[in-house]
Amino acid sequence: GDSVTQTEGLVTLTKGLPVMLNCTYQTTYSPFLFWYVQHLNEAPKLLLKSSTDNKRTEHQGFYATLHKSSSSFHLQKSSVQLSDSALYFCALTVSSGSWQLIFGSGTQLTVMP
Amino acid sequence: GGIITQTPKFLIGQEGQKLTLKCQQNFNHDTMYWYRQDSGKGLRLIYYSITENDLQKGDLSEGYDASREKKSSFSLTVTSAQKNEMAVFLCASSRAGKGNTEVFFGKGTRLTVV
Repeated sequence: GDSVTQTEGLVTLTKGLPVMLNCTYQTTYSPFLFWYVQHLNEAPKLLLKSSTDNKRTEHQGFYATLHKSSSSFHLQKSSVQLSDSALYFCALTVSSGSWQLIFGSGTQLTVMP
Repeated sequence: GGIITQTPKFLIGQEGQKLTLKCQQNFNHDTMYWYRQDSGKGLRLIYYSITENDLQKGDLSEGYDASREKKSSFSLTVTSAQKNEMAVFLCASSRAGKGNTEVFFGKGTRLTVV
């Protein structure tokens, strides 16, 4: 079945360093990929999304490129800030009709001063 | 803009108790969802509804019932609370039909079973 894998459960970085959060997916259908961010005690919110192969999408300093050849949609930022500390979810919907969002297990990013 | 309101914010129940969580949205969205969030397991779909009085089971529906009384509201019932269960239940909504549609979430109801 369709699935999303996030390999890092916890990532801790110092402010100003670059970050990459991994996301790979499995599906036999045409995919839509999303990154959602959830700050402490807040609702998850959409960060960025894509369905276009090899096209970089950006929002709030974060960027990701969907690579269908490797089934990946890694999230990156060139310089993390303290306010980026949050839980990040990669998610997938597929063009099989029901449009359910399938989430990865999430990566907790903690940025230290 | 709109908002999704979940009540209560915190819910403490006893083992075997039937518990109901409520959700209201003012986006005028057709589709509503209930997700369960457990630490380290991401968000798992319990039920969703594509229109008033419609119900569709997600992967985690066993042990739960849902009710879409009207377009703006979607309730979830834990039919028999399990001892030591702790989770956050997230309600969400979206426009109908397209795979790249943004899903909007509430802040959640945190359940503890004693």
